[in-house]
This record gives sequence, structure tokens and C-alpha cells, in this order.
Amino acid sequence: DAKTTQPPSMDCAEGRAANLPCNHSTISGNEYVYWYRQIHSQGPQYIIHGLKNNETNEMASLIITEDRKSSTLILPHATLRDTAVYYCIVRVGGSQGNLIFGKGTKLSVKP
Amino acid sequence: DSGVTQTPKHLITATGQRVTLRCSPRSGDLSVYWYQQSLDQGLQFLIQYYNGEERAKGNILERFSAQQFPDLHSELNLSSLELGDSALYFCASSVGQGPLYEQYFGPGTRLTVT
Repeated sequence: DAKTTQPPSMDCAEGRAANLPCNHSTISGNEYVYWYRQIHSQGPQYIIHGLKNNETNEMASLIITEDRKSSTLILPHATLRDTAVYYCIVRVGGSQGNLIFGKGTKLSVKP
Repeated sequence: DSGVTQTPKHLITATGQRVTLRCSPRSGDLSVYWYQQSLDQGLQFLIQYYNGEERAKGNILERFSAQQFPDLHSELNLSSLELGDSALYFCASSVGQGPLYEQYFGPGTRLTVT
């Protein structure tokens, strides 16, 4: 099972880009990278997912290295409301591929 | 607002008791997932239903059970409650099965067992 390694915490200045790294060196060729976030005690929120190519949506960009052993989630202009725990998920379990959440990165956006 | 509703928001009960948590998925979503989040264990997947049928089990205790009804709402039943069952319980829904389908999480039910 592919596992992820994320820094436990990061700070970012408001208005700056937040770059959240994730290492997944044991990822398999057909495993996707998913990102969710959880604002304090709320239900997690889907952000983005990708396989090989970089992906962008209205919330963020996902940059996956060519060897797929690591990725970076980019919030282009962080706001205070982006303060949350960000989960990088590669490992899925069971016959239906259920998400397995790790400890994530606590991102604090500061004014 | 994710469109997923959970009731009640808060629940306080005593050890040994039984409680039922309710979840209404987003309109059109067929999959329902239950998660438990405690301080020491993080967010743990419990069980998944798809269109009324159980499809996957995670770290769900035998004292816990769930079901999904024909109208697609789901209930999580927790019995013989212990102090360690105190946690946030989240329900999520998605239109299909598998991680490629975005999961929409509800606001959670905070269970406190005293």
C-alpha cells in the first residue's frame, strides 16, 4: 500500500502561494493522488486529484513529479479561510478503494 | 454547505447506552460512507453503502452497525458505548463508488460518552 509523508505543519502569509508537499515514493502506476482538507472540526472537503499530469481547478493546482514519487498542492493566493489540515491521500483500501486519511499538514495562513 | 445533512449535531450519552446517528446524502448520490474522527486515531473509515447494499468495511467495531434505506438515507448504530467511542462521526456521500468520485462530507455528529 502506498503511503504518504507530509510535514505536520506549515505557515503561509496571506496573499502568498501556499505550497504543500507530499512524498509518496511507493506509489503504484495506477494509483491516484487525492487532496482533501479539513477546516477545524468541519467535514473534510475535496480539493483535487491527479494521476500523472498536473491538474488545476478553481481551488488549487496539483503538481506531480515525473517519477510520481512526490507531489505539491498549490493554493495560489492563500487566504485566512484556507487555514486547515490538508490531507494528501494515495493509499486506498478495500475492494472499493476507500480513502485512507493520514495525519495531514496543518496549514496556518497568517495576516 | 455540502448538501449532506447529519443529525443530531451533538449527542451526550452514558456508557453502555445505544445511539443512532442519521445521515441524508446529497440528492442523486448513491454511495454513503461513515467515518470516525477521534483525537488519537484521526479520521478512520468505518463502512460504505451503495444503493442500499454494504460495499466495504473498514475499522468498524462489532458493536457498531449501519444500514442504508431505500430512500438512500443511512443510519449508524452504536451500542454498548464506551468512553473511547467519544468522537466526531462524519457521513459522506458520492454519486458513484470508489475514490475517483468526490466525496461530500456532512458537518458531523459529535458524540460524547460519559
